[in-house]
Amino acid sequence: DAGVTQSPTHLIKTRGQQVTLRCSPKSGHDTVSWYQQALGQGPQFIFQYYEEEERQRGNFPDRFSGHQFPNYSSELNVNALLLGDSALYLCASSLAGGGYQPQHFGDGTRLSIL
Amino acid sequence: DQQVKQNSPSLSVQEGRISILNCDYTNSMFDYFLWYKKYPAEGPTFLISISSIKDKNEDGRFTVFLNKSAKHLSLHIVPSQPGDSAVYFCAASDAGGTSYGKLTFGQGTILTVHP
Repeated sequence: DAGVTQSPTHLIKTRGQQVTLRCSPKSGHDTVSWYQQALGQGPQFIFQYYEEEERQRGNFPDRFSGHQFPNYSSELNVNALLLGDSALYLCASSLAGGGYQPQHFGDGTRLSIL
Repeated sequence: DQQVKQNSPSLSVQEGRISILNCDYTNSMFDYFLWYKKYPAEGPTFLISISSIKDKNEDGRFTVFLNKSAKHLSLHIVPSQPGDSAVYFCAASDAGGTSYGKLTFGQGTILTVHP
């Protein structure tokens, strides 16, 4: 039973560039959420996708965008990268049917901005 | 505005003893609470959850207690094992509302279990 998989594992970019991170949900899950975790902090919610639409969004600028594909996989895009975007980006998947479902996380993508 | 707080950055316990990790929240709309464990270079692993209609939930060595009036929850690990050494995150959501499972996390507590 494959869990949540994310790619790439690590990524180094420079300021102003654009990046795309990818996520495949756990088998049977149809909802994908993205989180940003800065060093020493808990994960912060970016947005959630369900039925290929952004269902909810956290307090992140429009530079952060996403997409969900018909096979439930998802992408996170960040434009005009800033030094402050350096963080661990986590993808989590869950079942739909309300929020009383635990989210299961991948191992994340470590993004470093130079 | 820190809606979920874990006030202890770290906790050290002896193997075989009880570990108690605490978490406080301020948003009265939160009705679903979860604990995650995180090892370095890995994503958070789901441990146990509780909804606001209950005050206790057990799963093996892990028990979560919820005190709604105090807006406080705790995770008990008995007995503690060296492999439990990790960062523990408390998370909460307004699952019955419009948040669709958006999780709000605490800052984490580093648990170290000494042999």
